[in-house]
Amino acid sequence: DAGVTQSPTHLIKTRGQQVTLRCSPKSGHDTVSWYQQALGQGPQFIFQYYEEEERQRGNFPDRFSGHQFPNYSSELNVNALLLGDSALYLCASSFVEANTEAFFGQGTRLTVV
Amino acid sequence: GESVGLHLPTLSVQEGDNSIINCAYSNSASDYFIWYKQESGKGPQFIIDIRSNMDKRQGQRVTVLLNKTVKHLSLQIAATQPGDSAVYFCAETRGYGGATNKLIFGTGTLLAVQP
Repeated sequence: DAGVTQSPTHLIKTRGQQVTLRCSPKSGHDTVSWYQQALGQGPQFIFQYYEEEERQRGNFPDRFSGHQFPNYSSELNVNALLLGDSALYLCASSFVEANTEAFFGQGTRLTVV
Repeated sequence: GESVGLHLPTLSVQEGDNSIINCAYSNSASDYFIWYKQESGKGPQFIIDIRSNMDKRQGQRVTVLLNKTVKHLSLQIAATQPGDSAVYFCAETRGYGGATNKLIFGTGTLLAVQP
């Protein structure tokens, strides 16, 4: 049983470009959340998707958008990249009936130059 | 504003000793508190959680204590091993409608186990 998988593992983009990160949830999970983790900091919640809709959103600008597909996989899109968007982007999946335990992927390391 | 934070950014212990990692939170309305372990180059790994109506919960070599009076959370690791070296985060959950809740993380504590 594969856990949460994210792609790509590493990515380098130029300021102003757009990027798409992908996440496949753990088998049986239907909810996907995205987090941004700056170096030396705790993860910060970006948004959460359930039933292909955004259910919750953290304090991130509209440049950050997402999508969930019928197979529960998800994408995170960031437009007009800024240097400050450089971070580890984590995807976490869970089952809606569970109230706490979320499984995290290994993350995508995004570097904006 | 509401936040979850840690008292100690770095904790160094000898192999075999017990470790205690502390965390302070500000929102007494939080439903759950969770400890995650994050090793270098990996995503956070669930360790243990505790409901707000509990004071203590034990797992394998780990114990989480919740003191709601002073809004304090701690993670105790018994017989600390080199493999326990990692960054530990406490997180709280808040949410709505019974759906899986977003996690609010603290800054993290680096646990360094000395042989």
